[in-house]
Amino acid sequence: EVQLVESGGGLVQPGGSLRLSCAASGFTVSSTYMGWVRQAPGRGLEWVSVIYSGGNTYFADSVKGRITISRDNSKNTLILQMNSLRVEDTAVYYCATMYSSSWFFDYWGQGTLVTVSS
Amino acid sequence: DIQMTQSPSFVSASVGDRVTITCQASQGIARWLAWYQQKPGKAPKLLIYTASTLQSGVPSRFSGSGSGTDFTLTISSLQPEDFATYYCQQANSFPLTFGGGTKVEIK
Repeated sequence: EVQLVESGGGLVQPGGSLRLSCAASGFTVSSTYMGWVRQAPGRGLEWVSVIYSGGNTYFADSVKGRITISRDNSKNTLILQMNSLRVEDTAVYYCATMYSSSWFFDYWGQGTLVTVSS
Repeated sequence: DIQMTQSPSFVSASVGDRVTITCQASQGIARWLAWYQQKPGKAPKLLIYTASTLQSGVPSRFSGSGSGTDFTLTISSLQPEDFATYYCQQANSFPLTFGGGTKVEIK
């Protein structure tokens, strides 16, 4: 059974950094397209980033240059490193697998809340 | 960027009603479209992909249609567990984009 469990969210000041983790079970992270989607409080869904099984990465313009996506294969974990955080980055961050190397998100974690505030 | 416009943004319906939600892409995306259901405090759930393919385990009362720029999600007979917010998403090109959502509430 596929399971995704995010962690690492919390309160951070503007300009700060945060590292989100997504622990996976039931499949191998390094063999799967995966991504992050966020949702600001009371708002809709916004795509953040994708990493292909081959390692190629893609980012939304709103986070490009401030966020990196990577994998820790030894822990079967997806990682989102967020730097230079802004108030507008406040959101629940979901990690998700992408169906059969497509860009559809089929399995989702429960989300982790990131709050950027002074 | 491809803009996804959903309508309506809000639907008030009763159990047993037929509900139709539309999603329009700002440019052609062939059939690279998904529909998600999200309940309060929960992660989204994939319902339909490639415009009309039902994800495993999703009830057959859900159906999707369309191609190019115009797409539809239909719930043939609304059930109590279907009251939620629905989002479309284009998977044709980066940046991946979602519609603004349609909230289906109990009349």
